[in-house]
Amino acid sequence: GQNIDQPTEMTATEGAIVQINCTYQTSGFNGLFWYQQHAGEAPTFLSYNVLDGLEEKGRFSSFLSRSKGYSYLLLKELQMKDSASYLCAVRALDSSYKLIFGSGTRLLVRP
Amino acid sequence: DSGVTQTPKHLITATGQRVTLRCSPRSGDLSVYWYQQSLDQGLQFLIHYYNGEERAKGNILERFSAQQFPDLHSELNLSSLELGDSALYFCASSVGTTPQETQYFGPGTRLLVL
Repeated sequence: GQNIDQPTEMTATEGAIVQINCTYQTSGFNGLFWYQQHAGEAPTFLSYNVLDGLEEKGRFSSFLSRSKGYSYLLLKELQMKDSASYLCAVRALDSSYKLIFGSGTRLLVRP
Repeated sequence: DSGVTQTPKHLITATGQRVTLRCSPRSGDLSVYWYQQSLDQGLQFLIHYYNGEERAKGNILERFSAQQFPDLHSELNLSSLELGDSALYFCASSVGTTPQETQYFGPGTRLLVL
Protein backbone atom coordinates (compact mmCIF):
# COMPACT_ATOMS: atom_id res chain seq x y z
CA GLY A 1 0.00 0.00 0.00
CA GLN A 2 0.93 3.66 -0.02
CA ASN A 3 1.03 6.15 2.84
CA ILE A 4 1.77 9.84 2.41
CA ASP A 5 2.37 12.25 5.27
CA GLN A 6 2.40 16.03 5.23
CA PRO A 7 2.04 18.62 7.99
CA THR A 8 -1.55 19.74 8.37
CA GLU A 9 -0.93 23.46 8.61
CA MET A 10 1.88 25.97 8.26
CA THR A 11 2.09 29.72 8.67
CA ALA A 12 4.65 32.02 7.06
CA THR A 13 5.21 35.70 6.43
CA GLU A 14 4.89 37.51 3.13
CA GLY A 15 8.27 37.70 1.39
CA ALA A 16 9.71 34.79 3.34
CA ILE A 17 10.62 31.23 2.29
CA VAL A 18 8.70 28.15 3.39
CA GLN A 19 9.43 24.46 2.97
CA ILE A 20 6.61 21.93 2.96
CA ASN A 21 7.70 18.37 3.58
CA CYS A 22 6.19 15.14 2.34
CA THR A 23 7.19 11.61 3.28
CA TYR A 24 5.84 8.51 1.62
CA GLN A 25 5.93 4.77 2.13
CA THR A 26 5.21 2.90 -1.02
CA SER A 27 5.48 -0.56 -2.50
CA GLY A 28 6.34 1.04 -5.82
CA PHE A 29 7.08 4.53 -7.09
CA ASN A 30 6.35 6.15 -10.40
CA GLY A 31 6.92 9.81 -9.68
CA LEU A 32 5.82 12.48 -7.21
CA PHE A 33 3.64 15.48 -7.94
CA TRP A 34 2.89 18.69 -6.09
CA TYR A 35 -0.40 20.48 -6.62
CA GLN A 36 -1.74 23.75 -5.25
CA GLN A 37 -5.39 23.97 -4.30
CA HIS A 38 -7.25 27.07 -3.23
CA ALA A 39 -10.34 26.40 -1.12
CA GLY A 40 -13.17 25.00 -3.21
CA GLU A 41 -11.16 25.10 -6.42
CA ALA A 42 -9.40 22.58 -8.61
CA PRO A 43 -5.90 21.34 -7.79
CA THR A 44 -3.40 22.96 -10.16
CA PHE A 45 -0.14 21.29 -11.14
CA LEU A 46 3.05 22.71 -9.68
CA SER A 47 5.83 20.18 -10.17
CA TYR A 48 6.85 16.62 -10.97
CA ASN A 49 9.87 14.69 -9.72
CA VAL A 50 10.83 11.16 -10.69
CA LEU A 51 14.61 11.32 -10.22
CA ASP A 52 16.48 12.44 -7.12
CA GLY A 53 17.33 16.10 -6.91
CA LEU A 54 15.91 19.56 -7.14
CA GLU A 55 13.56 20.87 -9.83
CA GLU A 56 13.26 24.64 -9.94
CA LYS A 57 10.40 26.57 -11.50
CA GLY A 58 10.43 30.24 -10.74
CA ARG A 59 9.51 30.86 -7.11
CA PHE A 60 8.69 27.18 -6.57
CA SER A 61 11.19 24.31 -6.28
CA SER A 62 10.64 20.66 -5.49
CA PHE A 63 13.13 18.13 -4.18
CA LEU A 64 13.02 14.35 -4.15
CA SER A 65 15.02 11.67 -2.37
CA ARG A 66 13.76 8.25 -3.41
CA SER A 67 15.99 6.36 -0.97
CA LYS A 68 14.50 8.33 1.92
CA GLY A 69 10.94 8.44 0.60
CA TYR A 70 11.04 12.19 1.03
CA SER A 71 10.13 15.28 -0.93
CA TYR A 72 9.74 18.94 -0.19
CA LEU A 73 8.22 21.92 -1.92
CA LEU A 74 10.05 25.20 -1.44
CA LEU A 75 8.20 28.45 -1.95
CA LYS A 76 10.29 31.63 -2.11
CA GLU A 77 9.28 35.29 -1.92
CA LEU A 78 5.93 34.35 -0.50
CA GLN A 79 2.91 36.31 -1.66
CA MET A 80 -0.52 36.53 -0.06
CA LYS A 81 -1.98 34.62 -3.01
CA ASP A 82 0.18 31.62 -2.05
CA SER A 83 -2.21 30.97 0.85
CA ALA A 84 -3.65 27.63 -0.23
CA SER A 85 -3.41 23.90 0.37
CA TYR A 86 -0.42 22.09 -1.09
CA LEU A 87 -0.98 18.47 -2.04
CA CYS A 88 1.75 15.89 -2.37
CA ALA A 89 0.80 12.96 -4.60
CA VAL A 90 2.57 9.77 -5.60
CA ARG A 91 1.86 8.05 -8.87
CA ALA A 92 0.87 4.41 -8.43
CA LEU A 93 3.18 1.79 -9.84
CA ASP A 94 0.27 -0.35 -11.00
CA SER A 95 -1.51 0.08 -14.31
CA SER A 96 -4.06 2.50 -12.93
CA TYR A 97 -1.66 5.47 -13.05
CA LYS A 98 -3.79 6.96 -10.33
CA LEU A 99 -2.43 9.64 -8.06
CA ILE A 100 -2.39 8.86 -4.35
CA PHE A 101 -2.72 12.10 -2.45
CA GLY A 102 -1.62 13.15 0.98
CA SER A 103 -4.12 15.08 3.07
CA GLY A 104 -2.50 18.35 2.07
CA THR A 105 -0.77 21.15 3.93
CA ARG A 106 -2.76 24.32 4.47
CA LEU A 107 -0.42 27.30 4.18
CA LEU A 108 -1.38 30.67 5.57
CA VAL A 109 0.70 33.63 4.44
CA ARG A 110 0.50 36.61 6.78
CA PRO A 111 1.44 40.23 5.96
CA ASP B 1 -8.05 27.29 -16.69
CA SER B 2 -6.92 23.69 -17.17
CA GLY B 3 -9.07 23.05 -20.24
CA VAL B 4 -11.05 20.36 -18.40
CA THR B 5 -14.72 21.19 -17.98
CA GLN B 6 -17.22 19.76 -15.53
CA THR B 7 -20.94 20.25 -15.16
CA PRO B 8 -22.83 21.06 -13.08
CA LYS B 9 -20.78 23.17 -10.68
CA HIS B 10 -23.18 22.62 -7.82
CA LEU B 11 -25.77 19.96 -7.18
CA ILE B 12 -28.17 19.71 -4.26
CA THR B 13 -30.30 16.61 -3.97
CA ALA B 14 -31.95 14.31 -1.47
CA THR B 15 -30.97 10.96 -0.05
CA GLY B 16 -31.96 8.05 -2.26
CA GLN B 17 -31.74 10.07 -5.46
CA ARG B 18 -29.51 9.55 -8.49
CA VAL B 19 -27.31 12.15 -10.17
CA THR B 20 -25.00 12.31 -13.17
CA LEU B 21 -21.82 14.35 -13.25
CA ARG B 22 -20.25 15.20 -16.57
CA CYS B 23 -16.63 15.80 -17.55
CA SER B 24 -15.02 16.88 -20.82
CA PRO B 25 -11.27 16.32 -20.97
CA ARG B 26 -8.72 18.67 -22.50
CA SER B 27 -8.58 18.54 -26.25
CA GLY B 28 -6.42 15.58 -27.27
CA ASP B 29 -6.47 13.85 -23.89
CA LEU B 30 -7.59 10.23 -23.93
CA SER B 31 -7.44 9.49 -20.20
CA VAL B 32 -10.06 10.59 -17.70
CA TYR B 33 -9.78 10.06 -13.95
CA TRP B 34 -12.45 10.67 -11.32
CA TYR B 35 -11.61 11.68 -7.75
CA GLN B 36 -13.72 12.39 -4.69
CA GLN B 37 -12.69 14.99 -2.13
CA SER B 38 -14.45 15.06 1.20
CA LEU B 39 -13.49 17.12 4.23
CA ASP B 40 -12.18 14.22 6.24
CA GLN B 41 -10.55 12.13 3.54
CA GLY B 42 -8.71 14.28 1.04
CA LEU B 43 -8.62 13.39 -2.64
CA GLN B 44 -9.50 9.76 -3.29
CA PHE B 45 -9.19 8.02 -6.64
CA LEU B 46 -12.42 6.51 -7.94
CA ILE B 47 -11.93 5.28 -11.50
CA HIS B 48 -9.81 5.70 -14.65
CA TYR B 49 -10.89 5.47 -18.29
CA TYR B 50 -8.65 5.45 -21.30
CA ASN B 51 -10.06 5.92 -24.80
CA GLY B 52 -13.45 4.59 -23.82
CA GLU B 53 -12.32 1.63 -21.76
CA GLU B 54 -12.18 1.25 -18.00
CA ARG B 55 -8.56 0.88 -16.90
CA ALA B 56 -8.69 0.83 -13.13
CA LYS B 57 -11.01 1.17 -10.18
CA GLY B 58 -10.24 2.61 -6.79
CA ASN B 59 -12.44 2.47 -3.73
CA ILE B 60 -15.53 3.20 -5.79
CA LEU B 61 -18.83 2.17 -4.26
CA GLU B 62 -21.08 -0.24 -6.13
CA ARG B 63 -23.72 2.52 -6.17
CA PHE B 64 -21.36 4.56 -8.35
CA SER B 65 -20.63 3.88 -11.99
CA ALA B 66 -18.94 5.71 -14.81
CA GLN B 67 -18.38 5.55 -18.53
CA GLN B 68 -16.40 7.30 -21.23
CA PHE B 69 -18.11 7.96 -24.52
CA PRO B 70 -16.70 7.89 -28.09
CA ASP B 71 -16.24 11.67 -28.00
CA LEU B 72 -14.13 11.06 -24.84
CA HIS B 73 -16.35 12.90 -22.42
CA SER B 74 -17.10 10.96 -19.26
CA GLU B 75 -20.02 10.69 -16.88
CA LEU B 76 -20.04 9.60 -13.26
CA ASN B 77 -23.36 8.25 -12.05
CA LEU B 78 -24.11 8.23 -8.34
CA SER B 79 -27.24 6.41 -7.19
CA SER B 80 -29.08 5.71 -3.93
CA LEU B 81 -27.34 8.77 -2.56
CA GLU B 82 -26.45 8.97 1.11
CA LEU B 83 -25.51 11.94 3.27
CA GLY B 84 -21.90 10.75 3.25
CA ASP B 85 -21.70 11.12 -0.52
CA SER B 86 -21.64 14.89 -0.11
CA ALA B 87 -18.25 15.93 -1.46
CA LEU B 88 -16.40 17.64 -4.26
CA TYR B 89 -16.06 15.42 -7.31
CA PHE B 90 -13.19 16.19 -9.64
CA CYS B 91 -12.29 14.75 -12.95
CA ALA B 92 -8.80 15.01 -14.36
CA SER B 93 -7.43 14.25 -17.78
CA SER B 94 -4.08 13.38 -19.30
CA VAL B 95 -2.87 12.60 -22.78
CA GLY B 96 -2.46 8.87 -22.33
CA THR B 97 -1.15 6.54 -19.70
CA THR B 98 2.59 7.10 -19.35
CA PRO B 99 3.81 7.63 -15.78
CA GLN B 100 5.26 11.10 -16.23
CA GLU B 101 2.08 12.62 -17.59
CA THR B 102 0.48 15.36 -15.58
CA GLN B 103 -3.16 15.05 -14.68
CA TYR B 104 -5.05 18.31 -15.19
CA PHE B 105 -8.08 18.81 -12.98
CA GLY B 106 -11.44 20.28 -13.81
CA PRO B 107 -13.20 22.80 -11.55
CA GLY B 108 -15.19 20.09 -9.80
CA THR B 109 -18.82 19.45 -8.98
CA ARG B 110 -19.88 20.16 -5.44
CA LEU B 111 -22.54 17.65 -4.41
CA LEU B 112 -24.68 18.21 -1.36
CA VAL B 113 -27.00 15.42 -0.29
CA LEU B 114 -29.71 16.49 2.16
